[in-house]
Formats: sequence, C-alpha cells, structure tokens
Amino acid sequence: DQQVKQNSPSLSVQEGRISILNCDYTNSMFDYFLWYKKYPAEGPTFLISISSIKDKNEDGRFTVFLNKSAKHLSLHIVPSQPGDSAVYFCAASAAGNTPLVFGKGTRLSVIA
Amino acid sequence: DAGVTQSPTHLIKTRGQHVTLRCSPISGHKSVSWYQQVLGQGPQFIFQYYEKEERGRGNFPDRFSARQFPNYSSELNVNALLLGDSALYLCASSSNPTGIPYEQYFGPGTRLTVT
Repeated sequence: DQQVKQNSPSLSVQEGRISILNCDYTNSMFDYFLWYKKYPAEGPTFLISISSIKDKNEDGRFTVFLNKSAKHLSLHIVPSQPGDSAVYFCAASAAGNTPLVFGKGTRLSVIA
Repeated sequence: DAGVTQSPTHLIKTRGQHVTLRCSPISGHKSVSWYQQVLGQGPQFIFQYYEKEERGRGNFPDRFSARQFPNYSSELNVNALLLGDSALYLCASSSNPTGIPYEQYFGPGTRLTVT
C-alpha cells in the first residue's frame, strides 16, 4: 500500500518551459515533504523541502507547493533546462523518529 | 567536505551467500539510514541508526542486519542472499533523525547483483 504516489512515470518538457511534477500522499501524519533528484549511477540529491505549516517554498528555479486538504504537493521548475533531466522522487516523513517514505519517481526529460 | 561514501560500488554474489556493505556518513552527522532501491521503484527504508543504536527498522526479513560504529560509519549485512535482493543499496546520513528539518544526504549506492 503506497503512502506516497507519483502517478506520472515520465514527463517531457521543452527547454525554457515550466516542468510540473506531482505527488500525492495518503498518510495524514506526514508533515514534512522533500524532493530529491537522481541521475543514473548516483544517489538521490536533496533538492527542496516544505513543512506542513507552509503552502509554498521557493529556491531559485524550484518551487514546491503543498495542498494539505488535498494531500497533494507539486514541484515546479521554471525555466526548465536540459541539465534538469533526471528522475525526481517525492518523499515524506512525520515529526519525530520516522524514516522517509518515497514515491516511485518521475523521469523528467527536458528537450533542447 | 566529503559527502556520504559507500563501498563497494558494485558487487556480484551468488544465491545463499552473505554480503557486507559499508557506509561513511558526512562528517559531523551521527545518523545513518539504509535504503533498498529496486529497479523502477523508489528507495525503501531498511534501517536507521543514531548514536550507534537502532532507531528504526523497515519491513525486511531478519536476514538483513546492520550496525553503527563509534565513528558513526555503518555496515549493512545480508545473509542467505536471494535473487530478489538484487538492488541498489543506498546509505543516507543526517545530523539529527528527529525534528524538522529532516533532510537526508545520500551516498552513490552499492549495486548488488545476486545470480
């Protein structure tokens, strides 16, 4: 039973346009959410996070939006660049000593 | 500063054998977690250690065990290997496993192939 779901296995976007990656969760105890980027043959790299007390967090070209009532978050990348092509994982945790729970990932391809 | 390091990079084992994977966390980080990532899936939590004590365990059989040493490095051991144990094993370190923020920093992983 997946607690974190990324329903789009892949996404293709043109360079310079916006990439929107979506993530849904089922566990209402989750209160901290993270996005990781993974290139082949490398471990996941932390990208951006958001606490449940916020609905938006921005870091340069990356913005994460959280809709708690819908149990949904999204990662916006604008403008998209070819170097953003990677697999993006959504992860969640609950306050206290709980591990990260990951989605299956979305493969983003940014086409020049 | 060095990131999380893992060894070996790749490993091929035969069914029934035993394997030991190693991880060194980022300097100053006292918590280490292990994850298994099979092809097409996200990382799945195996163990978490903090200050040399087990703080969490995922839904994995007893064939999987781990420990953390006084220098905060860690080993993951898997006994009686099965074909289904073939995966990328990721180690992640964090400064504190409780509270917020709770970013974990991952190593490059060990690719284990069981034949």
